[in-house]
Order: sequence, then structure tokens, then C-alpha cells
Amino acid sequence: DAMVIQNPRYQVTQFGKPVTLSCSQTLNHNVMYWYQQKSSQAPKLLFHYYDKDFNNEADTPDNFQSRRPNTSFCFLDIRSPGLGDAAMYLCATSRDIKETQYFGPGTRLLVL
Amino acid sequence: SQKIEQNSEALNIQEGKTATLTCNYTNYSPAYLQWYRQDPGRGPVFLLLIRENEKEKRKERLKVTFDTTLKQSLFHITASQPADSATYLCALRLSGGYNKLIFGAGTRLAVHP
Repeated sequence: DAMVIQNPRYQVTQFGKPVTLSCSQTLNHNVMYWYQQKSSQAPKLLFHYYDKDFNNEADTPDNFQSRRPNTSFCFLDIRSPGLGDAAMYLCATSRDIKETQYFGPGTRLLVL
Repeated sequence: SQKIEQNSEALNIQEGKTATLTCNYTNYSPAYLQWYRQDPGRGPVFLLLIRENEKEKRKERLKVTFDTTLKQSLFHITASQPADSATYLCALRLSGGYNKLIFGAGTRLAVHP
């Protein structure tokens, strides 16, 4: 089945220790997104890639970076996680920028 | 300021009844509105899309209405089942060149046997 896969499902890191979350898709979609969702809050868009073009949201902290080495994979790097970065991180894809987004199961990040 | 509001209180209903969830927005001109279902610890799953020129959309037991004058969408689940228990998010796609999808925080629905 075509899908969006996120690994790991749960990630524990230490305060200030870099961490990378990964997302892969078999949908062959052009656009990949990263959202941060805290408990009982709306998913908040961090950035997206349209193909190789990176689009950062104005209020995304510099601590968050992303890489998309090919169509299928996209990574979220948190350079120095703080306690406030503990959240669910959701990857989504869409065929084009205004089309329906399909989400992965998310990675729950815990910062100790 | 721009806002999307969904009832933060959980909606508790009896199995078999119709659940109605509300999404209100201010200061947006959406091209369309979507509803997603999110189970605990999982990513949102797309359910329905309704465009600005559509009043109503149906899919099986789901019905969505969209009133751009009231700036409101209603999401109905008829003949609700305990398996419908989840958080339901609305999301707006803005018209014009702004490509972002803006989500509400969701309303939790609990359907009791």
C-alpha cells in the first residue's frame, strides 16, 4: 500500500543533543511537509519542500532544519532540542501544493 | 487577527445519535475547508473537502456544510458508533497565492455504547 512512513515512532533525546527524525513516502508526491503538534493543539507547519525547493515558515526557529535528499525521503533535524520541543512531529505529503495532504503516523519526541 | 475555532470541550454522545461538530473562522477567505480525523498518538486522516462555492458534501455517514457568510462549517456523523470516537480537526486552505493549510485544534468526540 502506498503510504507515509515515519521512524522512529517514539524518540527520546537529551536536552541539547541533536536528533533526526525521518519520513519516507511511497506515494511519489512532489511536496513533503513537517508539522509540530503539541498536546490538544493544532498541527503547526514548520516547513515544506516542493520537490527540491525548501520553504521555511517565518516563525520556525533556526533550531529546526530539514533535508530532502530524494523524492522519497525527508528528514527533520533538531540541532539543540529544548524541553519546549517535546511534541508530536508529523510528516505529510501531497501531490501538489494545493492538493490533499496525507499524514504519517507521527514521531513522539521526548526531551529529558 | 486570524483564528480558527473548534470547541475545545469534548462532545459526548450516545451511540446511534448524530454528532455535530463546529468549525468557526475569522478573517480568512478560504478556497476550501477540510475535515480530518485524528486518533490518539496518530497522524490526521483526511475525511472530506468542501469548496467555497459548495454548501454541502456527503460521504457515507458523514456530512459537511460550509457557510462562507457565517464563516462556519458543520461536520455531522449520523448513526454514530463507538469506533467514531476520535478528535476531528478542520483545516482551511486559503485562496490566492498563500498555499498554507491552517488547522484548528480539533474537537474530541466520544461515542458511548
